[in-house]
Amino acid sequence: KAGVTQTPRYLIKTRGQQVTLSCSPISGHRSVSWYQQTPGQGLQFLFEYFSETQRNKGNFPGRFSGRQFSNSRSEMNVSTLELGDSALYLCASSLLQQGRDEQYFGPGTRLTVT
Amino acid sequence: GDSVTQMEGPVTLSEEAFLTINCTYTATGYPSLFWYVQYPGEGLQLLLKATKADDKGSNKGFEATYRKETTSFHLEKGSVQVSDSAVYFCALSPFSGGYNKLIFGAGTRLAVHP
Repeated sequence: KAGVTQTPRYLIKTRGQQVTLSCSPISGHRSVSWYQQTPGQGLQFLFEYFSETQRNKGNFPGRFSGRQFSNSRSEMNVSTLELGDSALYLCASSLLQQGRDEQYFGPGTRLTVT
Repeated sequence: GDSVTQMEGPVTLSEEAFLTINCTYTATGYPSLFWYVQYPGEGLQLLLKATKADDKGSNKGFEATYRKETTSFHLEKGSVQVSDSAVYFCALSPFSGGYNKLIFGAGTRLAVHP
């Protein structure tokens, strides 16, 4: 079974631009979560989607948004990029609906903002 | 709020040495507990998990026991190999809410030398 895939793997953007990252979960998984990983803040939860609905959101500004499609694929968008948005963005998928489930991570998208 | 505290690294060991990485948590109720490993340039891989008190998770020679009385989930391995060199993250998934979310510790870098 294929794992979680993320595209693109690397991105370089300029401050003020916007960016869209894509995530395809493991087949059959309907929960998709996003995390930001930086050297200073570590791994932080962004949001989680299940069946096209956002169920929970972390403490990030409104510039960070996401969505999930009917095939469970998910995208996250960051508008008006800031230098501090440079990070590894990780997507994870889970099988169970009720939460507290193990999550399987993709390789991440490395975003650099200049 | 819920949180995870890990011992600071880096941890440097010789091959075949015994490994312990300490992890303690603060949470309401009974969270699920996980250890993830991250190799350079990759996403996170689930190493093991435990979902209730006194559960022992194990995988690839690594073990951790869910200790409710000490709110701990220490990672151990009897004999480390060079290939175990990576960053290890302890994480919890909150008990309530019905969603999939992970709260991570800061990570502990392990370096194993021949």
